[in-house]
Amino acid sequence: AQSVTQLDSQVPVFEEAPVELRCNYSSSVSVYLFWYVQYPNQGLQLLLKYLSGSTLVESINGFEAEFNKSQTSFHLRKPSVHISDTAEYFCAVSRRGGIQGAQKLVFGQGTRLTINP
Amino acid sequence: DTAVSQTPKYLVTQMGNDKSIKCEQNLGHDTMYWYKQDSKKFLKIMFSYNNKELIINETVPNRFSPKSPDKAHLNLHINSLELGDSAVYFCASSQGLAGADTQYFGPGTRLTVL
Repeated sequence: AQSVTQLDSQVPVFEEAPVELRCNYSSSVSVYLFWYVQYPNQGLQLLLKYLSGSTLVESINGFEAEFNKSQTSFHLRKPSVHISDTAEYFCAVSRRGGIQGAQKLVFGQGTRLTINP
Repeated sequence: DTAVSQTPKYLVTQMGNDKSIKCEQNLGHDTMYWYKQDSKKFLKIMFSYNNKELIINETVPNRFSPKSPDKAHLNLHINSLELGDSAVYFCASSQGLAGADTQYFGPGTRLTVL
């Protein structure tokens, strides 16, 4: 079975500091991995995803994540955060979940990133 | 234009009542989902429909009944509401069934059962 563990429930950092949000997954097969972001009182938005190929994936707002198969990790990083990055971040893995070969997302517990001025 | 919309945004009701949440997507997607996010922000899938057919049905009380009148709509009806049903319910859609497909989420419906 595939599951996702986000190692930190809360991460406070100062503005312009670097940040890493950790995510580990368990799977015995190839996986698709995702990071979603949830801003306050909003739905989730895709930040980036790993499907195959280059292990480093980037988003348009400066975040990046590296797929590490040997460590079964998909940590999210940003070299310099802004106040506007304050949000809840969810790591997710896609797994088979129903009929017709349906895939479903299994989410981690979420990490609350708080940026302090 | 909102890609995935839900109504209502807030729903406050008494235990034992029956309520519905509506979801619509204008992305032309084939697959739609309902998720429940509890008070600790944990997000779990409840149901998924593909071309109006139920394809994922997690362990959810049968008081919850999804209905998909067409590909663009997926509604959630809840009978005999209980305190534990209080949560934020998110609708989502994706192009198809593939694990690589991005899911697009609605803004959520905050349900409070008193």
